[in-house]
Amino acid sequence: AQTVTQSQPEMSVQEAETVTLSCTYDTSESNYYLFWYKQPPSRQMILVIRQEAYKQQNATENRFSVNFQKAAKSFSLKISDSQLGDTAMYFCAFMKPPYNTDKLIFGTGTRLQVFP
Amino acid sequence: ETGVTQSPTHLIKTRGQQVTLRCSSQSGHNTVSWYQQALGQGPQFIFQYYREEENGRGNFPPRFSGLQFPNYSSELNVNALELDDSALYLCASSSGQGGMEAFFGQGTRLTVV
Repeated sequence: AQTVTQSQPEMSVQEAETVTLSCTYDTSESNYYLFWYKQPPSRQMILVIRQEAYKQQNATENRFSVNFQKAAKSFSLKISDSQLGDTAMYFCAFMKPPYNTDKLIFGTGTRLQVFP
Repeated sequence: ETGVTQSPTHLIKTRGQQVTLRCSSQSGHNTVSWYQQALGQGPQFIFQYYREEENGRGNFPPRFSGLQFPNYSSELNVNALELDDSALYLCASSSGQGGMEAFFGQGTRLTVV
């Protein structure tokens, strides 16, 4: 069975600084998708960034980027120029074939606090 | 905000009762997934509906059941409620094309007393 592990229950960073959230996963699949979702106090999950395992290039979305290490089964999220609005729970998630199930396996989350 | 809406937003039920939660999917999406998020945990997959048929189920007992309607909206039903069913229930809609973004609603907070 696939598992996703987030070993940092809480992180804090000062506004404008950079922070990295860690995620490791376990799978025997060779192709899959990885995601980072953000859950602010409003409770709604919002997709931050998505990575396809067969793509070696790390995904980037504005201030958010990932360091995808397939052999190490590691998928960390880097947030640059942190903003107060980045304060939220961050969940790493895994999706394996068959993709038409669209089943996401989530980690336990990292609570990020951005301080002014 | 996404186009996924859930109702109600909060609900309090007594142990042993039954509850129905509702979700309307985003326009153009034919797939709805339900997740249970216990306090301090990540969401756990309950099941998914694709074009009105159940299409995958997580490790949840049969008293968790669902429906999807021709307009692709969905219901989650839980019978014989237990205290451990207290959680945030999230609905996510997607295009069913696999690997694409799932859009989540704001969830229903269920408290079982």
